[in-house]
Amino acid sequence: EAGVTQFPSHSVIEKGQTVTLRCDPISGHDNLYWYRRVMGKEIKFLLHFVKESKQDESGMPNNRFLAERTGGTYSTLKVQPAELEDSGVYFCASSRRLAGFSHNEQFFGPGTRLTVL
Amino acid sequence: AQSVTQLGSHVSVSEGALVLLRCNYSSSVPPYLFWYVQYPNQGLQLLLKYTSAATLVKGINGFEAEFKKSETSFHLTKPSAHMSDAAEYFCAVKGGGADGLTFGKGTHLIIQP
Repeated sequence: EAGVTQFPSHSVIEKGQTVTLRCDPISGHDNLYWYRRVMGKEIKFLLHFVKESKQDESGMPNNRFLAERTGGTYSTLKVQPAELEDSGVYFCASSRRLAGFSHNEQFFGPGTRLTVL
Repeated sequence: AQSVTQLGSHVSVSEGALVLLRCNYSSSVPPYLFWYVQYPNQGLQLLLKYTSAATLVKGINGFEAEFKKSETSFHLTKPSAHMSDAAEYFCAVKGGGADGLTFGKGTHLIIQP
């Protein structure tokens, strides 16, 4: 079974540009999560999809960030326009959706390292 | 609000020595607690989790953790460190209806030969 994949692994862009990160979850996983780790800080939750619907986007920093999950499969996270403070590692995770269980294991991808110059 | 504190950004032990990584949490509701490990250039991998069953939880690669409610702790231990254990370890908590995990800042485990 393939794991969670993320593309690209690294991205270097200039301030003001747009970047789109992609996440392919494990097949059959309805739950998809985005997290971010800014250097020196903890990994922080950004948002949660259940299939194609946003279940919780309380962690999204501001309206420069837009996440989508078309058809409930892969997800994209667009940053437009990028700012210096957006630099960090963006992780995607997925999990099965089992009724009555809120602690299903989240499987993480390797992350995308974003550098904004 | 939930929070996780991991004591020590770097912990160094000798090969064969006891590994102890500390984690304290704050949660307004009974939490679910997790330890994840990240090897270089890889994603986070679940080591073990506490979900209100046994307070002593055994995980992969010989690691275990004990949930102590009175101390709000979930420390990770391994009796004998191996060179392959060198990685970054994250403690995380989930609870209170929050969808995402709340992570600590991580601890780099360094194994000295």
